Formats: sequence, structure tokens, C-alpha cells
Amino acid sequence: AQKVTQAQTEISVVEKEDVTLDCVYETRDTTYYLFWYKQPPSGELVFLIRRNSFDEQNEISGRYSWNFQKSTSSFNFTITASQVVDSAVYFCALSAWETSGSRLTFGEGTQLTVNP
Amino acid sequence: EAQVTQNPRYLITVTGKKLTVTCSQNMNHEYMSWYRQDPGLGLRQIYYSMNVEVTDKGDVPEGYKVSRKEKRNFPLILESPSPNQTSLYFCASSQGDTQYFGPGTRLTVL
Repeated sequence: AQKVTQAQTEISVVEKEDVTLDCVYETRDTTYYLFWYKQPPSGELVFLIRRNSFDEQNEISGRYSWNFQKSTSSFNFTITASQVVDSAVYFCALSAWETSGSRLTFGEGTQLTVNP
Repeated sequence: EAQVTQNPRYLITVTGKKLTVTCSQNMNHEYMSWYRQDPGLGLRQIYYSMNVEVTDKGDVPEGYKVSRKEKRNFPLILESPSPNQTSLYFCASSQGDTQYFGPGTRLTVL
């Protein structure tokens, strides 16, 4: 069975601070994909990034960066110089083809609040 | 514009009154699915469909039905809704590994 744990339920920072959202996953599959989604107050789910299990390169996209470490089963997400518009719930998710096909297993989400 | 649409966006209903939430995608995706989101539980898959006429249960299928008669549509049917089905529902579609979600339907069952 797959499991995704986001231990931080809520994080509150002041604008321009850097913030890291933690994600730890469990799977027995050797091939899997990891995702981050953003859910702003308006409620929709916005895809941010996908990473497959064979690609451990870190990725940077503007103020966002992701650190995938297979050795610790972690896929952490860092926002640099946070802004008020970053306030949202962020979900980490896993799909493992061998056992669950395209089904996404989500973590419980981290509520990020960026204060001005 | 490539998108997944859901209707209605908001619905308040009463116990036992059958309802259907529609989902449509214009990306010609083969895979579609339904999730529900509840506080403290994250998102959980209800049903999914690999292609037309092929559907299967997800993690929490009880009390729901689906059909996939056309590639673009994947309605979610609650034949006898109960208060524990009050939730935020998302439809998603994908071709490959990344699922794209609709805007959500907030359902309240009184």
C-alpha cells in the first residue's frame, strides 16, 4: 500500500521568508511518480510538478524548488521569498503503477499562510 | 482551452434525493477519476475509468456509481445521498501520469 505523510499541518510565515514543506512517502514499487498540487482559497487543485522515481535531480522553477531524496523517501518543496499569493493548501501525492495504476495517494496537506 | 469542467459547482440537497454531478474534459484523455476531499483526510479516490465502458472502484466507492459511455464524460451518481457524503468532489483526467483536476463541486447533504 502507498502512503504519503505531510507532517506539517499548518505553517505560518512572514512575507519574504523561505519556507519548506515536507513530504515523506512509502511504496514498495520501484517505479512511481511524485507530485505537488496547490489548492488556493478558491478551491481548485493546481498541478505544480511531477517527478518520477528514476530522476533524483532537484528542480527549480522561479521561486519554487523541489528536493527529491530516494534514500530518505522524501520529496520536499521549498518556496523562496514567499509572497502572500503563496497562501494555500499544498498537497504531496504519489502514484505507483505496479500496485495502483494511476490512482493518486495524497497526503493530508499543509496549510501555508504567508502574512504581509 | 484545455480543461476539466464539473457541474454543478455547489449543491445543497436532502437525504435520499438522487443526484448526478457531471464531469467533462476536452483533452481526449483516456483516464478519468473522481476524488472526494474531506478535512483531515486529504483526497481519496472514489472511482476511476481507464477508457470508455471501463470503470473500477477506488478507495471509497460505497454509495456512488459512475458510467463512462463517452470518452469526454464521466458523471458521478449518488442514488441515495446521505449526510456523510457531504464533501468537496473533484473530477480529474489524465493521459499518462499527470492528473488535471476540475474546479470542484461542493456538495452538502442535509
